[in-house]
Amino acid sequence: SAVISQKPSRDICQRGTSLTIQCQVDSQVTMMFWYRQQPGQSLTLIATANQGSEATYESGFVIDKFPISRPNLTFSTLTVSNMSPEDSSIYLCSVGGGRNQPQHFGDGTRLSIL
Amino acid sequence: QKEVEQDPGPLSVPEGAIVSLNCTYSNSAFQYFMWYRQYSRKGPELLMYTYSSGNKEDGRFTAQVDKSSKYISLFIRDSQPSDSATYLCAMSAVTSGSRLTFGEGTQLTVNP
Repeated sequence: SAVISQKPSRDICQRGTSLTIQCQVDSQVTMMFWYRQQPGQSLTLIATANQGSEATYESGFVIDKFPISRPNLTFSTLTVSNMSPEDSSIYLCSVGGGRNQPQHFGDGTRLSIL
Repeated sequence: QKEVEQDPGPLSVPEGAIVSLNCTYSNSAFQYFMWYRQYSRKGPELLMYTYSSGNKEDGRFTAQVDKSSKYISLFIRDSQPSDSATYLCAMSAVTSGSRLTFGEGTQLTVNP
């Protein structure tokens, strides 16, 4: 399976600031996804990062808060904007080969907001 | 009601025990079923991937899907301390593209 690298692995940020998380894959992939995993909870899909077009957001997530870029088939970024303590979470990137193929995950970015 | 319910645990077993992890679901459109293992401070790692009903075996792991009962299970034979992790079930429907719906996860500890 693809090797997925996320940067940073963790960060502590101040309230009101923004952080951009990078996801790099070692091979070209059709689909990339961004998830949030709050402490002790399961994964919630934020959005699907589409190459060459705007991301598709799930209910409860908006582009102004979580802008996503997907400039090519191996890279994507997720920005968490105007952060508040409620945004403290693990943010995970995943990749999948196409419709209903299993997804593979990076190790995540652990974000704490003070 | 959540679409996917997973036995919450935590589950603690002695080394060598057979472990059974379970999920139920309500969406009859789900056809693809996955089990992920997540170690502390790591991302989920795909363990098993099955389509529709039936069993799939891979080494000490067996995944079982019963679509008539909307019930899936993961069995771990001869459990090892290295199996200690959180196990997540996930599933998707043909009509939802690659969108996964996850269970809450079961934390497993295998004691030497």
